[in-house]
Amino acid sequence: NAGVMQNPRHLVRRRGQEARLRCSPMKGHSHVYWYRQLPEEGLKFMVYLQKENIIDESGMPKERFSAEFPKEGPSILRIQQVVRGDSAAYFCASSPVGGPSYEQYFGPGTRLTVT
Amino acid sequence: AQSVAQPEDQVNVAEGNPLTVKCTYSVSGNPYLFWYVQYPNRGLQFLLKYITGDNLVKGSYGFEAEFNKSQTSFHLKKPSALVSDSALYFCAVRDGTGNTGKLIFGQGTTLQVKP
Repeated sequence: NAGVMQNPRHLVRRRGQEARLRCSPMKGHSHVYWYRQLPEEGLKFMVYLQKENIIDESGMPKERFSAEFPKEGPSILRIQQVVRGDSAAYFCASSPVGGPSYEQYFGPGTRLTVT
Repeated sequence: AQSVAQPEDQVNVAEGNPLTVKCTYSVSGNPYLFWYVQYPNRGLQFLLKYITGDNLVKGSYGFEAEFNKSQTSFHLKKPSALVSDSALYFCAVRDGTGNTGKLIFGQGTTLQVKP
């Protein structure tokens, strides 16, 4: 059973470009979470999605960031007009059910570098 | 507001000795507590969780954690450390009263096991 897949693993963008990060959850998992890890910091929650629905986006910056999890295909985290402060590791996690007692399974992350 | 504190940035222990990585939490409702481990340039791996029941929880790779409600703590322990246990450890909490999927992470503790 394949784990959570993320691609690309490394992404370099110039300031002002767009970054698209993809996440394929584990088979049978319909709940996806995105977290950001800034250098020397812990993980910060960004957004929680189910298929075609955003459940909680309380951790998403108000501008330039968006996320989707379509009926078919991977979840996408999109960052428009990237700035240097967006440089971080972005982790996706998935779970089969959304209840609080279920652990989340994490992907290997996408390391975004903005030059 | 929910929060997690890991008071030690780094814990050093000799191989074969017992180890403890500390974690305290704050939630408004019942806590759901998790420990994850992160190896360099990798995603997070789930170690164990406390939901309800016995205060001593056993997990992967010989790790265990003790839930203490009065002290609001959930310390990670292992009776005999291995060099391969050297990694970054994160404690996380979810509030059981809400329907949110997000995990709140501590800042992380680097465990260094010396031969």
